[in-house]
Amino acid sequence: DTGVSQNPRHKITKRGQNVTFRCDPISEHNRLYWYRQTLGQGPEFLTYFQNEAQLEKSRLLSDRFSAERPKGSFSTLEIQRTEQGDSAMYLCASSLVVSRSYNEQFFGPGTRLTVL
Amino acid sequence: AQKVTQAQTEISVVEKEDVTLDCVYETRDTTYYLFWYKQPPSGELVFLIRRNSFDEQNEISGRYSWNFQKSTSSFNFTITASQVVDSAVYFCVFDLGRLYFGRGTQLTVWP
Repeated sequence: DTGVSQNPRHKITKRGQNVTFRCDPISEHNRLYWYRQTLGQGPEFLTYFQNEAQLEKSRLLSDRFSAERPKGSFSTLEIQRTEQGDSAMYLCASSLVVSRSYNEQFFGPGTRLTVL
Repeated sequence: AQKVTQAQTEISVVEKEDVTLDCVYETRDTTYYLFWYKQPPSGELVFLIRRNSFDEQNEISGRYSWNFQKSTSSFNFTITASQVVDSAVYFCVFDLGRLYFGRGTQLTVWP
């Protein structure tokens, strides 16, 4: 075992194309988070799932972005009609939340998206 | 709204020096967690330390120590006897279920 994995690690696409990223969390983790990190900034929250339910979405997540976690295990993040401003590192994290207590988020290596 | 401020953008030290990274946060919540994460050049975020809002006891873990002061909303992080491998971006993070990251401090440790 293993930690959180993300695929692909790098993606180069042309403006206007659709892209999809995948995140496999640590097994048994019930929460899965997506963050975006642009150059020189800290990661910014995009959305998170508790099992298969998407519980919160940031205002950063425009209608071109959609995330799913259909079986409460892996998750996909799709960006439609990509724009150059979407170029960033997309990070996935997972955690095991049992109650309102400390839950460490474990991060994956990220998918670096470059939109030409 | 929550906010995390890391005023130091870049710090350079020579190996074996001690270095302190500053963090100030803003919140109206009374229950929260604070973390420090490290992001080496490889890009993967690595958890370092955590502190909850109820415990202001400062601790030391190996070469890491932290100073949490709720009265001043500060959560500073110190690396003692820095090493070249400590070179990375360090993020102060506020946790209210979702994580709020500061902008990060780039630490460079020269041999």
